[in-house]
Amino acid sequence: DAGITQSPRHKVTETGTPVTLRCHQTENHRYMYWYRQDPGHGLRLIHYSYGVKDTDKGEVSDGYSVSRSKTEDFLLTLESATSSQTSVYFCAIRETANTGELFFGEGSRLTVL
Amino acid sequence: GDSVTQMEGPVTLSEEAFLTINCTYTATGYPSLFWYVQYPGEGLQLLLKATKADDKGSNKGFEATYRKETTSFHLEKGSVQVSDSAVYFCALEGLDDTGRRALTFGSGTRLQVQP
Repeated sequence: DAGITQSPRHKVTETGTPVTLRCHQTENHRYMYWYRQDPGHGLRLIHYSYGVKDTDKGEVSDGYSVSRSKTEDFLLTLESATSSQTSVYFCAIRETANTGELFFGEGSRLTVL
Repeated sequence: GDSVTQMEGPVTLSEEAFLTINCTYTATGYPSLFWYVQYPGEGLQLLLKATKADDKGSNKGFEATYRKETTSFHLEKGSVQVSDSAVYFCALEGLDDTGRRALTFGSGTRLQVQP
């Protein structure tokens, strides 16, 4: 158990509303990631963080923002949700900079109507 | 940029059959290669990895060999079980534009094993 908790696990919202997904870890690791999973696309990186207030964009960052004010929490925000952001969102952590192994949370399923 | 191509699924096999899931990659330099598995309703978990050419990763009866000459990392298992039914993702770790390590995933291959 890598100590990763995502919330909420399921959410249905309407187009244009703001949504925040939370990733909480108990392992005190520096490196945290947000991915989205869509059929035919596998996992695509949205944003990542290498420490408190150190974040950067991934390949599909448009329409998303993140914040990391504490080591244990990495928040993903959709300022104005669109139907194309309907997806399953996974948070992941990496123990060190020198290994590719990521530990994933159980996912948050978001439906934008 | 880096990319990973996997065979499309679903792959449907009978129990005890031989499994191969093909994976090829495009990358600069010498990436590390991984197979992740996702069981229904769960997040991904690392199945095996190889960090340099000719390395063989293995775990739970699964194997994959890093073939630089063919840029491939095919996943194999000699005798699958119903419990192996899952989605399998091939991934590579290279360096992004900022020089930081980044994982690139394939689109995933669903395996269905029938008793």
